[in-house]
Amino acid sequence: EAGVAQSPRYKIIEKRQSVAFWCNPISGHATLYWYQQILGQGPKLLIQFQNNGVVDDSQLPKDRFSAERLKGVDSTLKIQPAKLEDSAVYLCASSSAPSGGGGNEQFFGPGTRLTVL
Amino acid sequence: AQSVTQLGSHVSVSEGALVLLRCNYSSSVPPYLFWYVQYPNQGLQLLLKYTSAATLVKGINGFEAEFKKSETSFHLTKPSAHMSDAAEYFCAVRSGGYQKVTFGTGTKLQVIP
Repeated sequence: EAGVAQSPRYKIIEKRQSVAFWCNPISGHATLYWYQQILGQGPKLLIQFQNNGVVDDSQLPKDRFSAERLKGVDSTLKIQPAKLEDSAVYLCASSSAPSGGGGNEQFFGPGTRLTVL
Repeated sequence: AQSVTQLGSHVSVSEGALVLLRCNYSSSVPPYLFWYVQYPNQGLQLLLKYTSAATLVKGINGFEAEFKKSETSFHLTKPSAHMSDAAEYFCAVRSGGYQKVTFGTGTKLQVIP
């Protein structure tokens, strides 16, 4: 079974530029998550999709971050414009159970390391 | 509200020694609890999870964790550390099925030969 794919693996941009990350979840997984992991911290949920609908985006900085999951499969996360404090690893994860499955495992991709100069 | 506290951002053990990584949680309802491991430049991988069945949970790579409600703890242990266990470990909590997962700040485990 193929895992969660993410691209690019690394990205370096200057502040005020825009950037986009792509995620392809495990086939058949209905739930998709985007996390931000700042160095020295645990992952923080940015947005959670159930199929192509948003379940939770309470911690997404909506003035600069946006995400979509067209057709309930792939997803993209965009930052526009980027700030220095956006430097982090952006992790995508997916799970098979609906949001109500409390014990369901999340499968993580390798992440995209973003550096904002 | 839910939260996780991991005591010790860095833990060093000798190869063959006991590994003990501490995790305390806060949850208003019976929680689901998870331990994940992250190797350098990789995503997180599930080690084990507690879902209100047995309080002693066994995971992959010889790790186990015990859920202690009275202490609100879910510490991770392994009897004998291997060099390959060197990684960062994250404890996480979910308070009910529709809540997001909250991760702790992580503990980096160093294994000394």
